[in-house]
Amino acid sequence: DIQMTQSPSSLSASVGDRVTITCRASQSISSYLNWYQQRPGKAPRLLIYAASSLQSGVPSRFSGSGSGTDFTLTISSLQPEDFATYFCQQSYSTPFMYTFGQGTKLEIK
Amino acid sequence: QVQLVQSGAEVKKPGASVKVSCMASGYTFTTYDINWVRQATGQGLEWMGWMNPNSGNTGYAQKFQGRVTMTRNTSISTAYMELSSLRSDDTAVYYCTRASSGYNPFDYWGQGTLVTVSS
Repeated sequence: DIQMTQSPSSLSASVGDRVTITCRASQSISSYLNWYQQRPGKAPRLLIYAASSLQSGVPSRFSGSGSGTDFTLTISSLQPEDFATYFCQQSYSTPFMYTFGQGTKLEIK
Repeated sequence: QVQLVQSGAEVKKPGASVKVSCMASGYTFTTYDINWVRQATGQGLEWMGWMNPNSGNTGYAQKFQGRVTMTRNTSISTAYMELSSLRSDDTAVYYCTRASSGYNPFDYWGQGTLVTVSS
């Protein structure tokens, strides 16, 4: 099975900061990497798919990059509503065997 | 607009089974796979399996093989996830989610169903 490892597991930052979250796959997954945001008590929300494509309706301050085994999610200028938990997910395995990273909790400094 | 609406919270005893429903609207139900993901309180997301609503084909995470069954009723655009032999560590919020085409991202999610397993 493909394992996904996110870092850091938690992060403190201030409004206006630029932050980067990293996700590493245990084997190459090409660009089959998706990012989700989850606010407390809510269902996850798709932010980025195919490593770098912005989901419709998601603010442009969110961006993704990477391919193969190493990926990043960047928020260019943190807004108050961005303080949440972020998960990466690989959708490469065939037959389908999706796995998530353990999550990164983004907190207000 | 696309919506996935799940059934309400459940309380079950250890050893029992639970069946959660997920009603889809706003798109053609048979076009996109439905996946199930669960989340224990304060924990991460755990993928359980997928179902193709058109064919009924399924695939389950190894951890749930033999305990989970995913089915559908296309006449009412509803998917179901049944988990048997429940244990206390199955207490979690269960989500249904639609996998979009191409890179299979989960683009729409249900609101979640809390399943509590307690004696």
